Amino acid sequence: EDKVVQSPLSLVVHEGDTVTLNCSYEVTNFRSLLWYKQEKKAPTFLFMLTSSGIEKKSGRLSSILDKKELFSILNITATQTGDSAVYLCAVGYGGSQGNLIFGKGTKLSVKP
Amino acid sequence: NAGVTQTPKFQVLKTGQSMTLQCAQDMNHEYMSWYRQDPGMGLRLIHYSVGAGITDQGEVPNGYNVSRSTTEDFPLRLLSAAPSQTSVYFCASSPSLAGGPGEQYFGPGTRLTVT
Repeated sequence: EDKVVQSPLSLVVHEGDTVTLNCSYEVTNFRSLLWYKQEKKAPTFLFMLTSSGIEKKSGRLSSILDKKELFSILNITATQTGDSAVYLCAVGYGGSQGNLIFGKGTKLSVKP
Repeated sequence: NAGVTQTPKFQVLKTGQSMTLQCAQDMNHEYMSWYRQDPGMGLRLIHYSVGAGITDQGEVPNGYNVSRSTTEDFPLRLLSAAPSQTSVYFCASSPSLAGGPGEQYFGPGTRLTVT
């Protein structure tokens, strides 16, 4: 059975800390791995990764994929209270369609 | 562009009632999908469509019907609502990519409660 597992499920840090969120997967016919941020509303897109070892970076956020070990990490440096959210990992599979399998998410709380 | 829109934002139904959740997108995306999100369960795929006239089942299709008569619209019908269908429903769309699934654009969600 295909699955996407995120860890930890929740995390509390203080502003300025660096955090690493983990996503492992077992998905047949893997095509892509995506990260989303969800703040009490619709998920918003962060990154899409398709190749191993190539880091994607956007400001204080970065992510990398390891297709051999079947995992990805999302790093957030110098965290701010605005980073508090649920971070979702999703794996795209199959053909050119857009089907995604989501993990349960990591709830990040950043305290001032 | 309005992106992906969903109506209604909130809905309360009694067990056994039927209703349709509306979803529309103005980005000319071929791919559209419906997810439900329950506490501790992440998002789960209900139904999806790769173009007008083509639909298929996702992970949790029971109790739901869809149709896709136009590129823009992808309504989700609850045939006979049950308390287990209490959830937040998200519609999403994505351009078809030869390289596989890419970024999906989500609507604002519909919070449904079945009593």
